[in-house]
Amino acid sequence: GQNIDQPTEMTATEGAIVQINCTYQTSGFNGLFWYQQHAGEAPTFLSYNVLDGLEEKGRFSSFLSRSKGYSYLLLKELQMKDSASYLCAVADSNYQLIWGAGTKLIIKP
Amino acid sequence: GAVVSQHPSWVICKSGTSVKIECRSLDFQATTMFWYRQFPKQSLMLMATSNEGSKATYEQGVEKDKFLINHASLTLSTLTVTSAHPEDSSFYICSARTLAGIYEQYFGPGTRLTVT
Repeated sequence: GQNIDQPTEMTATEGAIVQINCTYQTSGFNGLFWYQQHAGEAPTFLSYNVLDGLEEKGRFSSFLSRSKGYSYLLLKELQMKDSASYLCAVADSNYQLIWGAGTKLIIKP
Repeated sequence: GAVVSQHPSWVICKSGTSVKIECRSLDFQATTMFWYRQFPKQSLMLMATSNEGSKATYEQGVEKDKFLINHASLTLSTLTVTSAHPEDSSFYICSARTLAGIYEQYFGPGTRLTVT
């Protein structure tokens, strides 16, 4: 079967760094996405990885290891507005997105 | 660019009635649109995939006669929840994808449906 695993909830302090992990098992792989979703809103695109390695985009970075079926999203210099759910999704062999349950990130002052 | 709108943003209806939700791509042509449902504290669940001009493909467990999807043009798809029941209350989100942009989906803001 297809499976995406990520922690349910994480807590971090404003100004700190947090890493959200995602492991996956899917039928085929055409890339891994990270989306941010604030409560009551639709997801917004953060990053896309299809090759191994680290992609950096401002305060956010995303890493992928295809051999390990593993990715992480790294958030630096955390701000209160970063409190949201972070969704990991994998595009399978049909380019259909398989979604993780999301990680709720709570930022404390 | 790549803006997707949904209407209405929230709706309350009585049990047994039907509700139509519109999803529009405002500045691009969406060859494929997706409809998701999300219950509180749960992940997105894909309901169906629709390609312009053809019948939607429904995910297992989704009743196609209850959730009618029409993708009549490259900028509009509609989801009609027929004979709604309280258990249909959820957050419905559409997303759109272009033929060239197979890697990314652009999401609408979502529609909160409450059935009383």
